[in-house]
Amino acid sequence: KQEVTQIPAALSVPEGENLVLNCSFTDSAIYNLQWFRQDPGKGLTSLLLIQSSQREQTSGRLNASLDKSSGRSTLYIAASQPGDSATYLCAVEGNTPLVFGKGTRLSVIA
Amino acid sequence: EPEVTQTPSHQVTQMGQEVILRCVPISNHLYFYWYRQILGQKVEFLVSFYNNEISEKSEIFDDQFSVERPDGSNFTLKIRSTKLEDSAMYFCASRTRDTAVYEQYFGPGTRLTVT
Repeated sequence: KQEVTQIPAALSVPEGENLVLNCSFTDSAIYNLQWFRQDPGKGLTSLLLIQSSQREQTSGRLNASLDKSSGRSTLYIAASQPGDSATYLCAVEGNTPLVFGKGTRLSVIA
Repeated sequence: EPEVTQTPSHQVTQMGQEVILRCVPISNHLYFYWYRQILGQKVEFLVSFYNNEISEKSEIFDDQFSVERPDGSNFTLKIRSTKLEDSAMYFCASRTRDTAVYEQYFGPGTRLTVT
């Protein structure tokens, strides 16, 4: 059964710092991995999707990497801003539908 | 930009009552999903729907749950007899095609409170 773990559970950084969020999954037989952003009480906003054949994807200040064989992904956020404060969720899709991690709650302090 | 919409944003109901949660997926999408998130817990898959039938469902999606696409735009989740443990945020999602390259787009959610 696929399990997704995200570390750390919470992170607080000063504005302007670069940071890395981690995601690991137990079954490497995935089709893709998605990173989402969730604001409190709100829905999920898709940030990046990495196909299983890809190593990384970039969107603006965000860069996500995937190492399928080791079951790991990272989300790198450059030059963090207070508006980046949210919970970031990682989810993998394979023979099962999307399986989510519990998320990393990020606070960027001005 | 097209988006998934859900109504109502918040529904309060008494235990044992039936509720219907509504979703309007993005218009050219073919695959539809329901997920739920109990407060403080992970987002969990409930069911996927394609070509007017369920394509996959989780253990959570028991006989109390049903889905329907009553017309060309709406996608509904019905809970026949709600329990306290059904209290959660329910998210609808849609995708244009069910392949590895296409992401799922999520709606803003319906918060269901069962009292």
